[in-house]
Amino acid sequence: EVQLVESGGGVVRPGGSLRLSCAASGFTFDDYGMNWVRQAPGKGLEWVSGINWNGGSTGYADSVKGRFTISRDNAKNSLYLQMNSLRAEDTALYYCAREGWVVPASKYFYYMDVWGKGTTVTVSS
Amino acid sequence: DIQMTQSPSSLSASVGDRVTITCRASQYISNHLNWYQQKPGKAPKLLIYAASSLQSGVPSRFSGSGSATDFALTISSLQPEDFATYYCQQSYSTPRTFGQGTKVELK
Repeated sequence: EVQLVESGGGVVRPGGSLRLSCAASGFTFDDYGMNWVRQAPGKGLEWVSGINWNGGSTGYADSVKGRFTISRDNAKNSLYLQMNSLRAEDTALYYCAREGWVVPASKYFYYMDVWGKGTTVTVSS
Repeated sequence: DIQMTQSPSSLSASVGDRVTITCRASQYISNHLNWYQQKPGKAPKLLIYAASSLQSGVPSRFSGSGSATDFALTISSLQPEDFATYYCQQSYSTPRTFGQGTKVELK
């Protein structure tokens, strides 16, 4: 069964740090890019960060650039998000999502086709 | 960054209704547009990718259309399990961006 399981969430004070993990199983992890997407309580989805199959290319939302770092360990089938200088507005449910792709007519299309259940991060004093 | 704007933000409909949700990109994205469904307390689920391709296992009452900047998700005959929030998302460039969501409620 294809599965993503997030962990590492918790309660942290403003300015603190957390490291989220996402364990992948049931598919060849290093065939896929991966993403972190978050959802603040009662709000919509916000893409946070993405990484390509070998970690050579990463991207970040402006809201987290310079504070969060995405990484992966393909030997451990794991994705990570190091979150530093946390703010109240980072409070959210954080999802790990696989970036699937198709290549019809030599044109790449990407989408998030497998999602974990999420891990909750609460930033509060 | 590419901004995605969905309309309406919410709608009320009855079982059997035909429902259309629109999504507009702030700049050209070809057909790099995906649609997701999210039910309360659950992770999002991919419905449509590349603007009009139905994800495996998704009922055929769901369809997507559009290109360039204007897109639509249509549910041909709304079923009880379709009451949820729907999001569009562009995959043309990074940062990936989502629309603000459209909540489909029971009339």
